[in-house]
Amino acid sequence: NAGVTQTPKFQVLKTGQSMTLQCAQDMNHNSMYWYRQDPGMGLRLIYYSASEGTTDKGEVPNGYNVSRLNKREFSLRLESAAPSQTSVYFCASLFSGVYEQYFGPGTRLTVT
Amino acid sequence: DQQVKQNSPSLSVQEGRISILNCDYTNSMFDYFLWYKKYPAEGPTFLISISSIKDKNEDGRFTVFLNKSAKHLSLHIVPSQPGDSAVYFCAASLTGNQFYFGTGTSLTVIP
Repeated sequence: NAGVTQTPKFQVLKTGQSMTLQCAQDMNHNSMYWYRQDPGMGLRLIYYSASEGTTDKGEVPNGYNVSRLNKREFSLRLESAAPSQTSVYFCASLFSGVYEQYFGPGTRLTVT
Repeated sequence: DQQVKQNSPSLSVQEGRISILNCDYTNSMFDYFLWYKKYPAEGPTFLISISSIKDKNEDGRFTVFLNKSAKHLSLHIVPSQPGDSAVYFCAASLTGNQFYFGTGTSLTVIP
């Protein structure tokens, strides 16, 4: 089992460029999450998907869109990147009824 | 507004002694609390959790205490080992859908 995988590991974008962060899990989990981690801010929830076909906003959804492509995959899209979106992005998943989340290794994004 | 707070950014402890990490929360509707451990350049990994209907949960060297009246939880690690050096995040759940994380406490265990 690979667990939760994220691609890419690193990315540098110019302001205004777009990109999609990919996340996949092979644990048959129902729920998937996207977080961002900024210095002094902890992890903040961007979007989550409680099941295939549903998505909901978290604490900081502005500037992002998500797609739950199937049960395994949950992508995060930045349509027009801004320097304020420079962060480390983590994807996570969990099995419904069990509160423990499994996290991917993260994507470090820099927007210049 | 931060609903889960970890007011100590860092903590240093001698090997073999007890480490106590603290976490405060504001939302009385949180139903589950978790601690995660994070090493640099890795994702957080689950450590231990506690339901809001309990006040203590133990797993080996790790014990989590919950004081609902004070809206406070703590993680005790005893004895502390150098491999425990990491950043520790507490997290709180609303119905198992949304999770709120603290800002983390960096623990250094000195050999």
